[in-house]
Amino acid sequence: ETGVTQTPRHLVMGMTNKKSLKCEQHLGHNAMYWYKQSAKKPLELMFVYSLEERVENNSVPSRFSPECPNSSHLFLHLHTLQPEDSALYLCASSQAGGSYEQYFGPGTRLTVT
Amino acid sequence: RKEVEQDPGPFNVPEGATVAFNCTYSNSASQSFFWYRQDCRKEPKLLMSVYSSGNEDGRFTAQLNRASQYISLLIRDSKLSDSATYLCVVGSGTYKYIFGTGTRLKVLA
Repeated sequence: ETGVTQTPRHLVMGMTNKKSLKCEQHLGHNAMYWYKQSAKKPLELMFVYSLEERVENNSVPSRFSPECPNSSHLFLHLHTLQPEDSALYLCASSQAGGSYEQYFGPGTRLTVT
Repeated sequence: RKEVEQDPGPFNVPEGATVAFNCTYSNSASQSFFWYRQDCRKEPKLLMSVYSSGNEDGRFTAQLNRASQYISLLIRDSKLSDSATYLCVVGSGTYKYIFGTGTRLKVLA
């Protein structure tokens, strides 16, 4: 396994569904991130975990709930999403403690119907 | 003023051309700088970090100008495979990364 992996790669869900996105990194990093990328907008940082503790939560609605059980795994739990939440969700990892190079997973393309 | 600004392009250049992109940032306390490449519907991939003295990786050269608060990326001898969106990323503190909207490059045969 190399780099950062994400599953599923594509997800279609209704507004009443509950689903989870999974991210795994094999780089030995201690910081992990969730980003949202919508069309024609820059990447928006959602959450940051460092050494399994949440260190950043950028005013993200509570219908998005992150979980970081260990330094290699990161989840994003989704419930009662809105159509405007449709986007590419990217996971990234880096060394902890600064603003080091980030490495991204392939993303989950989410469509909320 | 946006925290990180890039010309969205597209820059249409012939194969073999040299092309340069600039990216300006507003926070003078920014500490780290990166260029990423993003292909359509794919994830950003790190192209290079940008160091104070400037750095080169093959056909790619990155420069930092702290006085004027911009970074640049120069691509020499453009290839068709260089067609992508180039994202400027500025690190302004621990875990704080600001992404530009990207500059689209099309290299034409």
